[in-house]
Amino acid sequence: ILNVEQSPQSLHVQEGDSTNFTCSFPSSNFYALHWYRWETAKSPEALFVMTLNGDEKKKGRISATLNTKEGYSYLYIKGSQPEDSATYLCAFSPMGQNFVFGPGTRLSVLP
Amino acid sequence: DAGVIQSPRHEVTEMGQEVTLRCKLISGHNSLFWYRQTMMRGLELLIYFNNNVPIDDSGMPEDRFSAKMPNASFSTLKIQPSEPRDSAVYFCASSLFSDSYEQYFGPGTRLTVT
Repeated sequence: ILNVEQSPQSLHVQEGDSTNFTCSFPSSNFYALHWYRWETAKSPEALFVMTLNGDEKKKGRISATLNTKEGYSYLYIKGSQPEDSATYLCAFSPMGQNFVFGPGTRLSVLP
Repeated sequence: DAGVIQSPRHEVTEMGQEVTLRCKLISGHNSLFWYRQTMMRGLELLIYFNNNVPIDDSGMPEDRFSAKMPNASFSTLKIQPSEPRDSAVYFCASSLFSDSYEQYFGPGTRLTVT
């Protein structure tokens, strides 16, 4: 059974703070790592797909890095805003299509 | 594009009844995934199809669950008979069989079995 872990489980930050969280995945048989943003009562929305060791992706204030050799990815949010409040999911893909989702990090940004 | 469409959005049923959840893929996509989300287990893959063919159904909990793709753009997930422990949010996602395999999720169906 493939194990994908995320930490912390939940996080509260003040508006304007920068924050980051971690996704850990098996380092063998790596194909891709996906990050999703999931707001309450909505469906998960794709943020990034990362495939190469050392990849760094950026979308606005959110960025992500990937280390496939050691099996982790970081998601960074710079200058958090209340609208960033959501659960951030990572999904490990060992064979392309078959995603194994982590439990998520629930972020609350306090105004 | 309207995105992935799921119906119904909410379903409340009594134990023992048959439940059918529906999903319409994004036009042009050829892969379909059914997920179940619960507080205890998070987001779990139940089954997925490529070009209407089931590829991996190892996540289907038991024989009470079945999924079909009668055509290239539509799928159903059926639970018969339903049980209270089936209560969850069921998501459908579609993707294009390509390099990135990016999956696009529907709004989900919240199922409550009493």
